[in-house]
Amino acid sequence: GQQVMQIPQYQHVQEGEDFTTYCNSSTTLSNIQWYKQRPGGHPVFLIQLVKSGEVKKQKRLTFQFGEAKKNSSLHITATQTTDVGTYFCAGRSGSARQLTFGSGTQLTVLP
Amino acid sequence: DARVTQTPRHKVTEMGQEVTMRCQPILGHNTVFWYRQTMMQGLELLAYFRNRAPLDDSGMPKDRFSAEMPDATLATLKIQPSEPRDSAVYFCASGLWRGLMGTDTQYFGPGTRLTVL
Repeated sequence: GQQVMQIPQYQHVQEGEDFTTYCNSSTTLSNIQWYKQRPGGHPVFLIQLVKSGEVKKQKRLTFQFGEAKKNSSLHITATQTTDVGTYFCAGRSGSARQLTFGSGTQLTVLP
Repeated sequence: DARVTQTPRHKVTEMGQEVTMRCQPILGHNTVFWYRQTMMQGLELLAYFRNRAPLDDSGMPKDRFSAEMPDATLATLKIQPSEPRDSAVYFCASGLWRGLMGTDTQYFGPGTRLTVL
């Protein structure tokens, strides 16, 4: 079945440092989504990528979809304490009927 | 501001008791998901429905878990009998499925934090 792997599992950074989380799929994806879950909260949709090589930005967040549509990354520039949380990728292959979530990367930002 | 609602938000029960969790999806959404989240296993898909029909419940322990959608505004997840290993946060999410080429964003509810003693 479809597998979505995410690394790293945990990341501690100093406020102001950059952060990147990576998502890799065992199969080619038709789309990939990113979600953020604050501590004690629920996953919240951030963005969806559909096209090969697509890059989207939301303020300090940059999302990329690989050329082969099997990997994706989320990069945060100059992290802030408000960036704390767990970031999940979720992908769907063409034949799958639902998203498969990665294991998440838990980001801690030290002030 | 439409959102998914879940009740109860917290539940503490004793082993062997029945637990029922409820979810009200966003009005107009045709797909409902049940997830379980633990530190060890992360976010696991238990079951999901489309247009109230169960499409996949392969992630759910069949002997004790059951999921239903009695109508379009209510989804339920029941555990009977509950066990300590069922302690987790259970999320309901809803979405609007428009086919394979559409956006299938999932909107999560606040979750039910279940503790089984």
